[in-house]
Amino acid sequence: DQQVKQNSPSLSVQEGRISILNCDYTNSMFDYFLWYKKYPAEGPTFLISISSIKDKNEDGRFTVFLNKSAKHLSLHIVPSQPGDSAVYFCAASALGNEKLTFGTGTRLTIIP
Amino acid sequence: NAGVTQTPKFQVLKTGQSMTLQCAQDMNHNSMYWYRQDPGMGLRLIYYSASEGTTDKGEVPNGYNVSRLNKREFSLRLESAAPSQTSVYFCASSHGLAASYEQYFGPGTRLTVT
Repeated sequence: DQQVKQNSPSLSVQEGRISILNCDYTNSMFDYFLWYKKYPAEGPTFLISISSIKDKNEDGRFTVFLNKSAKHLSLHIVPSQPGDSAVYFCAASALGNEKLTFGTGTRLTIIP
Repeated sequence: NAGVTQTPKFQVLKTGQSMTLQCAQDMNHNSMYWYRQDPGMGLRLIYYSASEGTTDKGEVPNGYNVSRLNKREFSLRLESAAPSQTSVYFCASSHGLAASYEQYFGPGTRLTVT
C-alpha cells in the first residue's frame, strides 16, 4: 500500500515557466512533509519542508503548498531553470516519528 | 566536512556471496538509516538506528542485517546475496530531534547481484 503517491512519473517544462510537482498521501497521521531533489549518481538532497500547521512554505524559487483536507501537497518552482532538471521525491513523517515514507518520484526536465 | 560517506561506490556480487556496505557521518547525528532505491519504487527503508546500540527494521529488512558500530558508523550486511537485492543503496542520517526530520544522504552504492 503506497501511502505517499506521486502519480506523474515525469514532467517537462520550458525554462522560465512554473513547474508544479504533485504528491498525494493516504495516512492521516502524517504531519510533516518534505521534498527532496536527486541528480543522477548522487544521493537525494533536502529541498523544502512544511508542517501540517501551515498551508504554505516558501524558500526562494521554491514554494510548497499543503491541502490537508485533500491530503495533497505540491511543489512550485518559479522560474524553472535548467539546473532544476532532476528527480523530485516527496516524503512524509507521522507524529514525531523520524522515519520518512517516500513517494516514487517525478522526473522533471527543464527545456531550454 | 564530508557529511555522509558510503563505501564502496559500486559492487558486483555473485549469488550467495556476502558483503558489507559501510556508512559514516561526521555531523554528530543520532539517527541513521539504510534505504534501497529501485526503478518505480522510490526509496524504501531497510533498517534504521535511532541511537548508538539500537536498530529497528524498516519496510524491507529481509535478507539484510545491520550494525550501529558507534555514533558515526552504520553498516549494512548482505549474508547471502540474491539477484533481487540488485539496487542502489543509500545511507542517511538525521539529528534525531523531534523538531527536525530532515535526513542527509550519502552518494549511494550501486550493487549488482548476478
